Amino acid sequence: SQKIEQNSEALNIQEGKTATLTCNYTNYSPAYLQWYRQDPGRGPVFLLLIRENEKEKRKERLKVTFDTTLKQSLFHITASQPADSATYLCAPNGGSARQLTFGSGTQLTVLP
Amino acid sequence: NAGVTQTPKFQVLKTGQSMTLQCAQDMNHNSMYWYRQDPGMGLRLIYYSASEGTTDKGEVPNGYNVSRLNKREFSLRLESAAPSQTSVYFCASSEGREGYTFGSGTRLTVV
Repeated sequence: SQKIEQNSEALNIQEGKTATLTCNYTNYSPAYLQWYRQDPGRGPVFLLLIRENEKEKRKERLKVTFDTTLKQSLFHITASQPADSATYLCAPNGGSARQLTFGSGTQLTVLP
Repeated sequence: NAGVTQTPKFQVLKTGQSMTLQCAQDMNHNSMYWYRQDPGMGLRLIYYSASEGTTDKGEVPNGYNVSRLNKREFSLRLESAAPSQTSVYFCASSEGREGYTFGSGTRLTVV
């Protein structure tokens, strides 16, 4: 069956450091993968989309990589800030082109 | 404000009661979705609608029904609520391969 694993449920890092979150998937061949941010009590907010033919995508302090051989995506936040503290969800597409399947998320805490 | 609006925000039901969760989007998106989110299990797709007039089952459709009333509105109905349906429900919409836009959620408790 299709499965998504995001590294450790919680990740604590010091302000200014780079946070790296991992998303591994099995029994998938996604054409693209998305990353979302979710704050407590709120709905997820879309951050980035990376396609299977793209190795890397950047947006401001965010960088996403996509390795279809390893079946893995890495999400980096550089120069992290306490305001980056949230849960981050990865979502490879699966099934029909319009469906996403979400990982359970990694809770990131950036310590001042 | 543009986006996805869900009502109600909170609801407590007794086992066996029915209710409808409402969702509306004003972004002219073709696709709409209903997810539920439970601790440690992530978001699980209940039903989706790829376009007006169509609906399809997702990963966990049992105990739910949906209606795509028009392009803007997609409702989720619980015919006979069960404690296992206690969850946070999110509606979302999208167009093509763009990112999903989520509503703020409905927190449902079934006692």
